[in-house]
Amino acid sequence: EPEVTQTPSHQVTQMGQEVILRCVPISNHLYFYWYRQILGQKVEFLVSFYNNEISEKSEIFDDQFSVERPDGSNFTLKIRSTKLEDSAMYFCASKRRDSSYEQYFGPGTRLTVT
Amino acid sequence: GENVEQHPSTLSVQEGDSAVIKCTYSDSASNYFPWYKQELGKRPQLIIDIRSNVGEKKDQRIAVTLNKTAKHFSLHITETQPEDSAVYFCAASWGTGFQKLVFGTGTRLLVSP
Repeated sequence: EPEVTQTPSHQVTQMGQEVILRCVPISNHLYFYWYRQILGQKVEFLVSFYNNEISEKSEIFDDQFSVERPDGSNFTLKIRSTKLEDSAMYFCASKRRDSSYEQYFGPGTRLTVT
Repeated sequence: GENVEQHPSTLSVQEGDSAVIKCTYSDSASNYFPWYKQELGKRPQLIIDIRSNVGEKKDQRIAVTLNKTAKHFSLHITETQPEDSAVYFCAASWGTGFQKLVFGTGTRLLVSP
């Protein structure tokens, strides 16, 4: 069964550095999402992406964040200048088509900002 | 915006007992309610979901009920086993298209042998 994949599994970076988190959604899916989960807290929506543009973003997704689908398979989340409070697990998810409901989650990237 | 509340935050049961986790949502337009199981350090795994045109759905030992009038939905796990121990999240969405999932705060379920 196809799965969403994410790399790296764990990223350690220093405050102020740029990081790029990578995701490969399931191949025939059309909708892509990033969520984050601070340790011990709930999963929070960051951004949704469809047809090569952002569909919706949360208040967390400020100017330091950007997303891109640079080719037909990858979906990336960039944080330009990381802050300590960006430390979290970042999950990518994808959804098949308009009439489908289920979002499939990747295994996550644990980002640690020191 | 949409808000989802979840109770209890922790739940301890003995193996074989039933467990019930409850969620309420704020947006009456929500029409899709999935439940995710998350083991430590792992991705959320969808275990069951329900759409707003259905009142109850069952899959072996797990079931979900939805009360649209009261805007709440519940997860029921019967004959609990130690491997059911995990954090369970409810979520709500208005379903199709690019709509996001709004998650509850999670319930840590511990099933003791």
